[in-house]
Amino acid sequence: DTEVTQTPKHLVMGMTNKKSLKCEQHMGHRAMYWYKQKAKKPPELMFVYSYEKLSINESVPSRFSPECPNSSLLNLHLHALQPEDSALYLCASSQAGALANYGYTFGSGTRLTVV
Amino acid sequence: GQQLNQSPQSMFIQEGEDVSMNCTSSSIFNTWLWYKQDPGEGPVLLIALYKAGELTSNGRLTAQFGITRKDSFLNISASIPSDVGIYFCAGQLEYGGSQGNLIFGKGTKLSVKP
Repeated sequence: DTEVTQTPKHLVMGMTNKKSLKCEQHMGHRAMYWYKQKAKKPPELMFVYSYEKLSINESVPSRFSPECPNSSLLNLHLHALQPEDSALYLCASSQAGALANYGYTFGSGTRLTVV
Repeated sequence: GQQLNQSPQSMFIQEGEDVSMNCTSSSIFNTWLWYKQDPGEGPVLLIALYKAGELTSNGRLTAQFGITRKDSFLNISASIPSDVGIYFCAGQLEYGGSQGNLIFGKGTKLSVKP
């Protein structure tokens, strides 16, 4: 299995809702990432988990809450989002440490619309 | 922060033509990656480069890691309609350093006329 699977593919939520994005990989990768991508822009890093521990938080607002329950799963919990949070949310994984240089594998993303 | 300058921003070409795009930086990179992204999908890794001067091919795609380690180019030969998409270069500054240090260029949008 060489894929990163993200669900759901599309999500529309109100500003008072709580929802979660899910990401799963079975490549044995021990580093997992959340990126946010606005239209016509490159992906922007949000969070990095390395060996199931949060190692980087790029000053993301607390209405985004990541969770890594095990080495194969990564969640992003959403609460009280704003319309400007609408974007494509991408999950990626890689080998950890120096081996991360062998490239990240991205999922297809969740298209999030906040209304 | 670190920046990658990717050019051109967009290209409109005829099917069958060759394409060239590049990325430059003022910083030294240890790895250069080229990704393609289709609308509504995540980036897909096309080519990874690990050594200065390295020239690597993947079918009709060829990419090179610049000798100075500050630049890379991607060539696509004999373009076809399915080459349409956004191509991103990405570089990694630190070998064995902290995670999350993948830096993206702003992308090159490729349009191919049949």
